[in-house]
Amino acid sequence: AQTIHQWPVAEIKAVGSPLSLGCTIKGKSSPNLYWYWQATGGTLQQLFYSITVGQVESVVQLNLSASRPKDDQFILSTEKLLLSHSGFYLCAWRDNNNQAPLFGEGTRLSVL
Amino acid sequence: QQQVRQSPQSLTVWEGETAILNCSYEDSTFDYFPWYHQFPGESPALLIAIRPVSNKKEDGRFTIFFNKREKKFSLHIADSQPGDSATYFCAASNYNVLYFGSGTKLTVEP
Repeated sequence: AQTIHQWPVAEIKAVGSPLSLGCTIKGKSSPNLYWYWQATGGTLQQLFYSITVGQVESVVQLNLSASRPKDDQFILSTEKLLLSHSGFYLCAWRDNNNQAPLFGEGTRLSVL
Repeated sequence: QQQVRQSPQSLTVWEGETAILNCSYEDSTFDYFPWYHQFPGESPALLIAIRPVSNKKEDGRFTIFFNKREKKFSLHIADSQPGDSATYFCAASNYNVLYFGSGTKLTVEP
């Protein structure tokens, strides 16, 4: 069975500090991977997607970047956090047999 | 431009009633329409999904009705239970990008 793990579970960071969030999927080769962001009490907004290692497509610009250094790993980062980056960050994966992304447990980020 | 519109924002039904959540979309290239539910503090979980080749999809108490001509789809939750209380999101996909509605907070009163 496939498992998706996000780290860290939660972060409290200062405005202007760097950020790196990670996501790893096990039990699935060459998955499509996705990053989403959810403001507290809000809807989900897709940030990035990746079909293969080394290739990342941006969906919305929020002063964030993403990378896929390994087949099973997806990284979300920024060099300088803004207050507006606070929220719930969700990694998701999809296989070719199911078009609906399946979410990890998420990372809660508070920027102060 | 909001790609997927969802209503109502909140909905309260009594236990045993059918809850109806509605969504509409603009882009006719969307080819997959999932529904997720999200409990407080948790990540969204896939409930049920439909492709435009069908106008109805059932899974237990959950049914999607899809109207391609009007670009509308709805989720019906039959025999609602207090455990169904959650926020429900509809979504529309054109393969690698998924657009979510604004969510409906459903409360099922016992």
